[in-house]
Amino acid sequence: DAKTTQPPSMDCAEGRAANLPCNHSTISGNEYVYWYRQIHSQGPQYIIHGLKNNETNEMASLIITEDRKSSTLILPHATLRDTAVYYCIVRSLNAGNNRKLIWGLGTSLAVNP
Amino acid sequence: ETGVTQSPTHLIKTRGQQVTLRCSSQSGHNTVSWYQQALGQGPQFIFQYYREEENGRGNFPPRFSGLQFPNYSSELNVNALELDDSALYLCASSSLETQYFGPGTRLLVL
Repeated sequence: DAKTTQPPSMDCAEGRAANLPCNHSTISGNEYVYWYRQIHSQGPQYIIHGLKNNETNEMASLIITEDRKSSTLILPHATLRDTAVYYCIVRSLNAGNNRKLIWGLGTSLAVNP
Repeated sequence: ETGVTQSPTHLIKTRGQQVTLRCSSQSGHNTVSWYQQALGQGPQFIFQYYREEENGRGNFPPRFSGLQFPNYSSELNVNALELDDSALYLCASSSLETQYFGPGTRLLVL
């Protein structure tokens, strides 16, 4: 079972920031938080990941709470092309875990003009 | 673009047939993972190959099998196709941390 909980859907106005929450209250100390998105049955696209510090790249920012039990993905200026299903995944990088990704249902983000 | 390619893009088979799906990993990546995604669901892990050896398997029956070649490309084989095998099949390649996905193969079993 997925170790994360996300709202099933969200709306955002074009040009505004989209803030996508994720709960992962059972996260372990060696588990990272990964975010992917999937646009209309294409292959999932990697966005960002982090362990405990906040992270930023050209696509998004990831804010992880101090207790690591939740995180927020921020798309600073959402465009129509950001309409997609966003998946938050908790993942161990221990080799014994064979590094598989366990996916939930994600959040369907609709960016409206 | 991730550099991960999959073929074919779409495929139609009938129940009982066999299918082979192919994946070319991104340059420098030695690990390939396969996932099945039914409509409206998140991807489900099938198995992973690391340096030509199976490195973990999800809850899929033995009729789902795979191979990884010396150039780290991979095949997914499904025997005795069932209607429920209709799905998007995703391949992801990785070296250390992050898995990068191909565009997928859409399989329809009639």
